[in-house]
Amino acid sequence: GNSVTQMEGPVTLSEEAFLTINCTYTATGYPSLFWYVQYPGEGLQLLLKATKADDKGSNKGFEATYRKETTSFHLEKGSVQVSDSAVYFCALSDSRNSGGSNYKLTFGKGTLLTVNP
Amino acid sequence: KAGVTQTPRYLIKTRGQQVTLSCSPISGHRSVSWYQQTPGQGLQFLFEYFSETQRNKGNFPGRFSGRQFSNSRSEMNVSTLELGDSALYLCASSPGTENEQYFGPGTRLTVT
Repeated sequence: GNSVTQMEGPVTLSEEAFLTINCTYTATGYPSLFWYVQYPGEGLQLLLKATKADDKGSNKGFEATYRKETTSFHLEKGSVQVSDSAVYFCALSDSRNSGGSNYKLTFGKGTLLTVNP
Repeated sequence: KAGVTQTPRYLIKTRGQQVTLSCSPISGHRSVSWYQQTPGQGLQFLFEYFSETQRNKGNFPGRFSGRQFSNSRSEMNVSTLELGDSALYLCASSPGTENEQYFGPGTRLTVT
């Protein structure tokens, strides 16, 4: 079956530091890949996505590139801010294992990011 | 456009009771999915509905059920509650023409 593995947290950085959160996946088909962010007490917000190999998703200074050869989708940001403190989830959807539906997301365990001023 | 709304936001129930949670998707969205989030198991897919039909189901016991109405609103029901059912239940909607999902704030269920 499908699975997502992301780096264990927590990650603590100083403001303006460089961020990388690693994510690798296992899928039998051709999945779409996502990063979601969850702020305290809230639901998940879609941060970025990529739907095919070599696609780069980007949003709010965050980027991730779909690497089929290494089955990876690492999240990066050049300069983090205190407001980026949250839990980040890597996820995939693969219609080939979901009865034709693209809406079954498989999530990683999440990585807690804390940014200190 | 209003986002996904879930009611109630917080709920406390006793073991053995049943509970119904409600989700109103973004206007025009036809797909509604439900997820359970716990510290131990993380985020797990429960089921997905599209045009009132269950299209996909996760690995949860039959005590967990759901339905979708003609206006795309969805409910999920958990019968014979167990302590382990304590979790944040998240609903997500999608227009059905792309695979992006938009999540609601969740319902925090505590079973005592």
